[in-house]
Amino acid sequence: NAGVIQTPRHKVTGKGQEATLWCEPISGHSAVFWYRQTIVQGLEFLTYFRNQAPIDDSGMPKERFSAQMPNQSHSTLKIQSTQPQDSAVYLCASSLDRAGGAQDTQYFGPGTRLLVL
Amino acid sequence: GDSVTQKQGQVTLSEDDFLFINCTYSTTTYPTLLWYVQYLGQGPQLLLKVTTANNKGISRGFEATYDKGTTSFHLQKASVQESDSAVYFCALVPLANYGNEKITFGAGTKLTIKP
Repeated sequence: NAGVIQTPRHKVTGKGQEATLWCEPISGHSAVFWYRQTIVQGLEFLTYFRNQAPIDDSGMPKERFSAQMPNQSHSTLKIQSTQPQDSAVYLCASSLDRAGGAQDTQYFGPGTRLLVL
Repeated sequence: GDSVTQKQGQVTLSEDDFLFINCTYSTTTYPTLLWYVQYLGQGPQLLLKVTTANNKGISRGFEATYDKGTTSFHLQKASVQESDSAVYFCALVPLANYGNEKITFGAGTKLTIKP
């Protein structure tokens, strides 16, 4: 089991450019989460999918950020017109998502470190 | 909304010292409480979790008790090793009718163990 795979591991963009981050969840996991980590704000939830359907995007900035999950094997986080304050480590996590309220472990990938110059 | 408080930003100990990291939480739900550990250059990984109030979680020599009365979930270890150096996050996940939910994390505690 390779774990959650995130690509690229590092990305440098210029202000105003677009950045697309990729996540491949653990095979068989039906829930995919995106978080952002910065020194100032810590670990913050952005959005999540269940069986590819968007469930909660309450943490996503209203402008410029979007996430998709076109199939069960990958999800993307896209940031349009990147700004220096978007610089962060973007983490993807996946989990089983079983009925009954059981709290299945969320397994995190290594993250993509985005630097906007 | 849910919140988790970790006031100790940094802790420095020597090998074989006792570790205690404070964590308190606030929620209107019946949460699962978690401790995640993050090593340099890696994503957070689950250290231990407790789903039921007044129960204890134990893993790799670490333990934490879910105390609903004091809304606390402190992490402790009797004797730390240099390999325990990492950032530790207290966190909670609310109980859901179906499936998983988003994690609310504390600010994290950077633990440094001197050899």
